[in-house]
Amino acid sequence: AQSVAQPEDQVNVAEGNPLTVKCTYSVSGNPYLFWYVQYPNRGLQFLLKYITGDNLVKGSYGFEAEFNKSQTSFHLKTPSALVSDSALYFCAVRDTGAGSYQLTFGKGTKLSVIP
Amino acid sequence: DGGITQSPKYLFRKEGQNVTLSCEQNLNHDAMYWYRQDPGQGLRLIYYSQIVNDFQKGDIAEGYSVSREKKESFPLTVTSAQKNPTAFYLCASSMTGHTGELFFGEGSRLTVL
Repeated sequence: AQSVAQPEDQVNVAEGNPLTVKCTYSVSGNPYLFWYVQYPNRGLQFLLKYITGDNLVKGSYGFEAEFNKSQTSFHLKTPSALVSDSALYFCAVRDTGAGSYQLTFGKGTKLSVIP
Repeated sequence: DGGITQSPKYLFRKEGQNVTLSCEQNLNHDAMYWYRQDPGQGLRLIYYSQIVNDFQKGDIAEGYSVSREKKESFPLTVTSAQKNPTAFYLCASSMTGHTGELFFGEGSRLTVL
C-alpha cells in the first residue's frame, strides 16, 4: 500500500530565510509525487509534481522539490520565504505499481512565515 | 474559465438528515474524486470515479453515497448512517492516468447540529 509521511506538523521560518517542508513516501512500484498548498477554508492548489527525469522539479510561486529515490523523499523548498507563503502544505503520492489511480495525501504541514 | 464548482460553501443540517453536496466540473476530465478533510488528519478518500456510470469506494466510504450520471457531475450524499459527518468536503477531478494532478474545488463545510 502507498503511504506518505510529513514528519512536521508545523514549520516556522523568518521571512527571507530558506525553508524546507519534508515529505517521505512508501510505494511498491515507482512513485509519482505531488505538492499542494491550501489557504484557510479554500481548496488545494497544485504546486508541482515529479513524474520522471530531472530529480529537481520547479513549480509555482518559486517553490521547488527534490526527488531522492534512495531516501524515498520529496522535500519542498524555497530559497527565500514570504509571509504570503504561510499556508498548509500537502505532499501526495500515486503508486505506479498499484492497480488504481488513487492519490494518497500526507497529513499536512502548517507553514508560518514570520515577518 | 474552466474549473470545479462545489456548492453549497457552508451547510448546516440536523442529525439524522441526509444531505447532498454538489460538484460540477467543466475541465472535460474523466476522473472525479471526493475527499474528506478533518483537522490534523489530512485528506481521506471517500469515493472516486474514473468514468461515467462507474465509481469505487475509497478508504472511508461508509455512510456516503455517490452517483456519476454525467461526466461533469459527481454529487456526494452524506447519509444519516455517517456517524461523524461534520467536516470539510473537497471534490477534485483529473485526467485519467497516473501522471495527472488533481484539480480541486473550493470545498463545502458541513456542520451537523
